[in-house]
Amino acid sequence: ETGVTQSPTHLIKTRGQQVTLRCSSQSGHNTVSWYQQALGQGPQFIFQYYREEENGRGNFPPRFSGLQFPNYSSELNVNALELDDSALYLCASSSPTSGRGDTQYFGPGTRLTVL
Amino acid sequence: AQSVSQHNHHVILSEAASLELGCNYSYGGTVNLFWYVQYPGQHLQLLLKYFSGDPLVKGIKGFEAEFIKSKFSFNLRKPSVQWSDTAEYFCAVRRNTGFQKLVFGTGTRLLVSP
Repeated sequence: ETGVTQSPTHLIKTRGQQVTLRCSSQSGHNTVSWYQQALGQGPQFIFQYYREEENGRGNFPPRFSGLQFPNYSSELNVNALELDDSALYLCASSSPTSGRGDTQYFGPGTRLTVL
Repeated sequence: AQSVSQHNHHVILSEAASLELGCNYSYGGTVNLFWYVQYPGQHLQLLLKYFSGDPLVKGIKGFEAEFIKSKFSFNLRKPSVQWSDTAEYFCAVRRNTGFQKLVFGTGTRLLVSP
């Protein structure tokens, strides 16, 4: 167990709807990264939050947005859902200032199905 | 842009066989390298990582990996696999400078038959 938790575990939505996924980072970690893992693929970076600010973004459209809260937990919001958004969404927490290097620890993921 | 190639998509081995999974990356600068494992029904777990120093890195559960800078490779090895090693293995790379995001390979599914 990494101490990173995500909710919900599974979610079914229809096209055009909006979804919010949640992540609680490991204690002491101030950075949260979100990844999308499509079936049979490796995780793809969506964006990263550090101290409540977006710190970098991958090749995902603006309808993918996020937030980080003062306790370092985070949300991923996806608007106008498309069928291709069906995937496992992974959250990873890390602490770049720890002095031990930025190793990302992953949560169990949220399986999103868009019908 | 960075990319990571894992050459073997599916590997089937018998217990006690030796394992080597290939990983190559395309980035000329200094990188950090990782192998993650995803056991059936479980989340991604860190197997081992390389930041600097000795290019031969030892991880959990008897795994090791060797960083060969001239070949842009970070192959994963285990001398003798067990049935419990059945999982999907992901190689990932991150630049050591500037904004740091993990770039993953497509993964290798390992099936170990008893």
